[in-house]
Amino acid sequence: DTGVSQNPRHKITKRGQNVTFRCDPISEHNRLYWYRQTLGQGPEFLTYFQNEAQLEKSRLLSDRFSAERPKGSFSTLEIQRTEQGDSAMYLCASSRGNEAFFGQGTRLTVV
Amino acid sequence: AQKITQTQPGMFVQEKEAVTLDCTYDTSDPSYGLFWYKQPSSGEMIFLIYQGSYDQQNATEGRYSLNFQKARKSANLVISASQLGDSAMYFCAMREDTGRRALTFGSGTRLQVQP
Repeated sequence: DTGVSQNPRHKITKRGQNVTFRCDPISEHNRLYWYRQTLGQGPEFLTYFQNEAQLEKSRLLSDRFSAERPKGSFSTLEIQRTEQGDSAMYLCASSRGNEAFFGQGTRLTVV
Repeated sequence: AQKITQTQPGMFVQEKEAVTLDCTYDTSDPSYGLFWYKQPSSGEMIFLIYQGSYDQQNATEGRYSLNFQKARKSANLVISASQLGDSAMYFCAMREDTGRRALTFGSGTRLQVQP
């Protein structure tokens, strides 16, 4: 499978715990994006990498959120001290040209 | 200000009929791209079609076509010959070509195809 891969697909965590998600983009895609989607809404932009450089972070990305793309390939999104409001689908997308291809997402539930 | 507006929360269509999903957008960037994605219940966002702001022709991809009216800032998706498998959420999105090139999404339209 050469599509965008996200792990885990589902994560249930207790409030206050830290979680980390992984995204493996399509090979040679230099741009990688993280989005968050809550129920009934469209995805909202969180952050963007071009190669290993994090070029922009949304105001939605509080200090508890951090993302990395250390070698310009896979990326991780960490949420520290999770809150119930962090419950959402976290989507990763990669692109090289016009089209952006999405992974299947990681659904986070904070209990 | 909302950049992408989808005014139809839900739509019904009979199998084999055509359906139009509305999308209007707002931007001051002269160069931008418009996208439609399908999101079935499994959650994955599936790319359907792309229209560049400078493209003269309306984009088509199989049963999908994008009715691009630049002056009206609309980018409606037309699905011809609807199939039961077309039942899903559909999102319109825009990417402004200056800056981060991230997609801004509308709130989506839930399409239900009836047999």
